[in-house]
Amino acid sequence: QKEVEQNSGPLSVPEGAIASLNCTYSDRGSQSFFWYRQYSGKSPELIMFIYSNGDKEDGRFTAQLNKASQYVSLLIRDSQPSDSATYLCAVPPRGYMEYGNKLVFGAGTILRVKS
Amino acid sequence: DARVTQTPRHKVTEMGQEVTMRCQPILGHNTVFWYRQTMMQGLELLAYFRNRAPLDDSGMPKDRFSAEMPDATLATLKIQPSEPRDSAVYFCASGPKGGAADTQYFGPGTRLTVL
Repeated sequence: QKEVEQNSGPLSVPEGAIASLNCTYSDRGSQSFFWYRQYSGKSPELIMFIYSNGDKEDGRFTAQLNKASQYVSLLIRDSQPSDSATYLCAVPPRGYMEYGNKLVFGAGTILRVKS
Repeated sequence: DARVTQTPRHKVTEMGQEVTMRCQPILGHNTVFWYRQTMMQGLELLAYFRNRAPLDDSGMPKDRFSAEMPDATLATLKIQPSEPRDSAVYFCASGPKGGAADTQYFGPGTRLTVL
């Protein structure tokens, strides 16, 4: 089982709708979760991160953690065509508790927002 | 606006040639990561430094790849000799000490084509 798994998509949503992106992780002890956005031909850009103590909202973006089912979601409200990108989920690897962890990235989900 | 910088942005070379990629991490960041991204494999971690010391290079082909940090403002990734299968985008990322120490900020990448 991969440490981080994402549906490759594409996920297509109409403009203005809520886009919901999911990421499952294998290590039940994971404490931090990261979402990156990558536009075609560009580098990954950190959108937000959450710790295992709760969900987080930042503007139109909300990250939610479901510990029991071991998945983390990224919700994008009022989706815009400019949100069309690949969204990468990342988690510190299993057993790697050292300060300043490396991250394991999922393969990413392609989001397409249609106007 | 602090950013990770990488040079060159594009490199086309012939098989067998040496390739050197450079990265300047964000000032004050103490962790540096080298990634390779391809359509087939996604984002793969090649090497990881903290306070200039190599911590993990298990993802890097040892026979042809080498990574170093001559000083806190420069990280290098060398491929010698290069092969067509090395064609990919190579990203450098840096992370801060303290605070959200797992966060990583990516540079623009070096797009390498080996003919």
